[in-house]
Amino acid sequence: QSALTQPASVSGSPGQSITISCTGTSSDIGNDYNWVSWYQQHPGKAPKLMIYDVNNRPSGASNRFSGSKSGNTASLTISGLQAEDEADYYCSSYTTSATYVFGTGTEVTVL
Amino acid sequence: EVQLVESGGSLVQPGGSLRLSCAASGFTFSTYWMSWVRQAPGEGLEWLANIKPDGSGTNFVDSVRGRFTVSRDNAKNTLYLYMDSLRDEDTAVYYCGGTLLATPATDWGRGTLVTVSS
Repeated sequence: QSALTQPASVSGSPGQSITISCTGTSSDIGNDYNWVSWYQQHPGKAPKLMIYDVNNRPSGASNRFSGSKSGNTASLTISGLQAEDEADYYCSSYTTSATYVFGTGTEVTVL
Repeated sequence: EVQLVESGGSLVQPGGSLRLSCAASGFTFSTYWMSWVRQAPGEGLEWLANIKPDGSGTNFVDSVRGRFTVSRDNAKNTLYLYMDSLRDEDTAVYYCGGTLLATPATDWGRGTLVTVSS
């Protein structure tokens, strides 16, 4: 099972919106389960769930974060970028092998 | 408050074995899917395995299937990861996580470091 493909880095200015892509295959992102999640990880910290089931936010996650999916690609959009959003972001998908796979990770920089 | 605390990480020689534990509190452990996820130094997250709430089934990533085993003791609110035939590339911080959702983890521990080196 290969890792999902994400851009290595994305940057934006405060207040802007940025979008991170996550590309997989029909066995993961493109399957019928729609169990795609996004995690935020600050240096030295455990990951934090920001989005689950493609576009749902758990309690505690900012409403500036939203998710979507089209075919074999999922996306995370951060609106109104803030300094605290600077972190690494990982997508994750359930696979048809009953396992999970993470993306390669994207470093978000707030300029 | 949900708490997950991993323990058991240490320096081990290649080919060796190790058991990690994850002590859970603050939630009904027996209703949660539990996972192990690792992160090699400077690298990304890698999902390793999960176990059903009642412990009746497990799933593994190909890279550790046959070498790693996951179990849980719902009476002790504890999750375990047994690692055999350890390799240099198994060096990582190992996180346990739990969830009621279809995602690797909603709640995470702080991780425990496993170093495989001679």
